[in-house]
Amino acid sequence: GNSVTQMEGPVTLSEEAFLTINCTYTATGYPSLFWYVQYPGEGLQLLLKATKADDKGSNKGFEATYRKETTSFHLEKGSVQVSDSAVYFCALKGGGSNYKLTFGKGTLLTVNP
Amino acid sequence: KAGVTQTPRYLIKTRGQQVTLSCSPISGHRSVSWYQQTPGQGLQFLFEYFSETQRNKGNFPGRFSGRQFSNSRSEMNVSTLELGDSALYLCASSLEGLAGASYNEQFFGPGTRLTVL
Repeated sequence: GNSVTQMEGPVTLSEEAFLTINCTYTATGYPSLFWYVQYPGEGLQLLLKATKADDKGSNKGFEATYRKETTSFHLEKGSVQVSDSAVYFCALKGGGSNYKLTFGKGTLLTVNP
Repeated sequence: KAGVTQTPRYLIKTRGQQVTLSCSPISGHRSVSWYQQTPGQGLQFLFEYFSETQRNKGNFPGRFSGRQFSNSRSEMNVSTLELGDSALYLCASSLEGLAGASYNEQFFGPGTRLTVL
C-alpha cells in the first residue's frame, strides 16, 4: 500500500534560517503529493501540492519538488518566520477518484525570534 | 465561500456511550472524508462518502460508521466508545470532477475534539 515517511523532528530554528523537512513516499502508479500545515487548535490547511513528476509546488515562500526518481517531496523555505511555527504534514493521494490521503507522522517546527 | 464546518467542536463522553459528529462541506463539494488524528497513530483515514455512498473505507472496526445526506452533509458515529477513541476527528471535502490535477485538493474543517473518560 501507499506510505509516507517524513522526518519527525521536532525542528527548532532561529528566525530567517533555512528550513528543510524531508519526505519520501511509497506508492503505485502516479500519486499526487501535498504538504499540509496545522496551527495549534486548528484543522489542516493545504500549503502546496504537486501532481506529476518534476512539478514544483510553491506557496508563501515554501517550495517542494516532486522527484519520482528518488520518491521524494522535501519541503524547503529560505527564510523562516516566527509565524511559520506549526506542524507540517506530507501527504499522498493515489490516482483516480480515490480521495484517501495517506499522511506522514508530522513535523513540529518551532521558530524562535 | 464558507469553509468546512464541524459540530460540535468539543465532546466529552464516557466509555460505552456512542457519539455522532457532524460535518458540512464547502458548498458544491460532494465528496466528504473523515480522518482520525491521535498523537500515537497520527492521521488515519476513516472513510469517504460521495453522493450518499461510501466510496472508500479505512481500517477501523465496525463501531465506526458514517453516512452522507442528499445535501452532502455527513455524519460519523462511533458506538461503544473506548478510551482509545479519544482523538481529533477531521472532516474534509473535495470537489468531484475529472480525476485531474485541479480536483485533488481536500479542504479540512477545524475538527471535533472527542475525549472519552
